[in-house]
Amino acid sequence: AQTVTQSQPEMSVQEAETVTLSCTYDTSESDYYLFWYKQPPSRQMILVIRQEAYKQQNATENRFSVNFQKAAKSFSLKISDSQLGDAAMYFCAYRSPFAQGGSEKLVFGKGTKLTVNP
Amino acid sequence: GAGVSQSPRYKVAKRGQDVALRCDPISGHVSLFWYQQALGQGPEFLTYFQNEAQLDKSGLPSDRFFAERPEGSVSTLKIQRTQQEDSAVYLCASSLWGQDQPQHFGDGTRLSIL
Repeated sequence: AQTVTQSQPEMSVQEAETVTLSCTYDTSESDYYLFWYKQPPSRQMILVIRQEAYKQQNATENRFSVNFQKAAKSFSLKISDSQLGDAAMYFCAYRSPFAQGGSEKLVFGKGTKLTVNP
Repeated sequence: GAGVSQSPRYKVAKRGQDVALRCDPISGHVSLFWYQQALGQGPEFLTYFQNEAQLDKSGLPSDRFFAERPEGSVSTLKIQRTQQEDSAVYLCASSLWGQDQPQHFGDGTRLSIL
């Protein structure tokens, strides 16, 4: 079974600075999807960014980018120019390749709580 | 509505009671998921529907947990004879069918068992 590990329970960053959140995963599959979700105190899980394993180019969404190292099974999230609204729990998640009739479930890590200091 | 809607937002029940949690997915979303999120933890998968078919229920922790989606739209997660360890936030997510479709989550139902 696939597992996702987030080794940083908490991180903090100064407003306007850059922070990197770590994520490693374990899988024997060669093709899969990786995601970063943000969960503010309001609880709604919001998709931040996603990466397809067969794509070598790292995904970028505005201030958010990933460093995807397939061989190392590492998928870190970099947040540039941090804003107060970035404060939240961040979850890394894994999804297996799509298969007809199969499950599309996400496997989540335990999360990293990000604090942004003004 | 524009997003996934879950009700109730909060539910308090006494140990031994039955509860039902509702999820109204985004219109047109074929796939529907239930996750359980304990305090301070990441969500854990419970079950998955494609339309009305329950394709994966491997995450349901016991036979006290039951989910249905009879018409391929609204889904209900039922927990019978609740126990204290059932206290958690229950998240519902939906998505379009396809390889690269992201899951959209609701606000969740916080269940507290006294």
